[in-house]
Amino acid sequence: QLQLQESGPGLVKPSETLSLTCTVSGGSIRSSRYYWGWIRQTPGKGLEYIGSIYYSGSAFYTPSLKSRVSISVDRSQNQLSLELRSVTAADTAVYFCAAHPDYYDSRGVWMVNAFELWGQGKMVTVSS
Amino acid sequence: SYVLTQPPSVSVAPGQTAKITCGGANIGSKGVHWYQQKPGQAPVLVVFDDSDRPSGIPERFSGSNSGDTATLTISRVEVGDEADFFCQVWDSDSGHPVFGGGTPLTVL
Repeated sequence: QLQLQESGPGLVKPSETLSLTCTVSGGSIRSSRYYWGWIRQTPGKGLEYIGSIYYSGSAFYTPSLKSRVSISVDRSQNQLSLELRSVTAADTAVYFCAAHPDYYDSRGVWMVNAFELWGQGKMVTVSS
Repeated sequence: SYVLTQPPSVSVAPGQTAKITCGGANIGSKGVHWYQQKPGQAPVLVVFDDSDRPSGIPERFSGSNSGDTATLTISRVEVGDEADFFCQVWDSDSGHPVFGGGTPLTVL
């Protein structure tokens, strides 16, 4: 059974880089079925999509965070990683990794469909 | 950016039917997905593409989508159904998925 588990520091200082890892178990990150994504949740802004990556390394980022985000994949470790640079208190959130199918609409345009599986989430606080 | 509007709360007695709405401009033209999130847990997909259920989700969970409103219907509500429910669509104009603000379901 496919499972996702986030890990990383729970406290990051302002202006520094937030780094998290998501380990995929019960299946391979090389699956052609899935993209592997990151989503965060805050009490004020709710759920916010950050970006996704395919096992090949092809990545997609939400426009509002694109300048500060990098997502990478380590196929040998069955892991994906998130880096968010120059963080502020506004980046304090629970960070989830999630899997969604490689999906194309009726016009053949790639899109993010439903997030079929989620990790348990990692709370990250940005504070000095 | 595309905005999804959900009610701030829904309350229902056990055994009754709960309806949670998700409003958006011409949302009927988009595929809507619904997630259930219990306290301290990750969201779980309960309905995708308007009305399909993932494997393992009870038939009591169903969805519909037309015009400017999508609806998640939970029949024969159980105490264990208490959770926050979120809707989600793909915003093709801005090029990213969008979530509704969430609706807490209270089972009285």
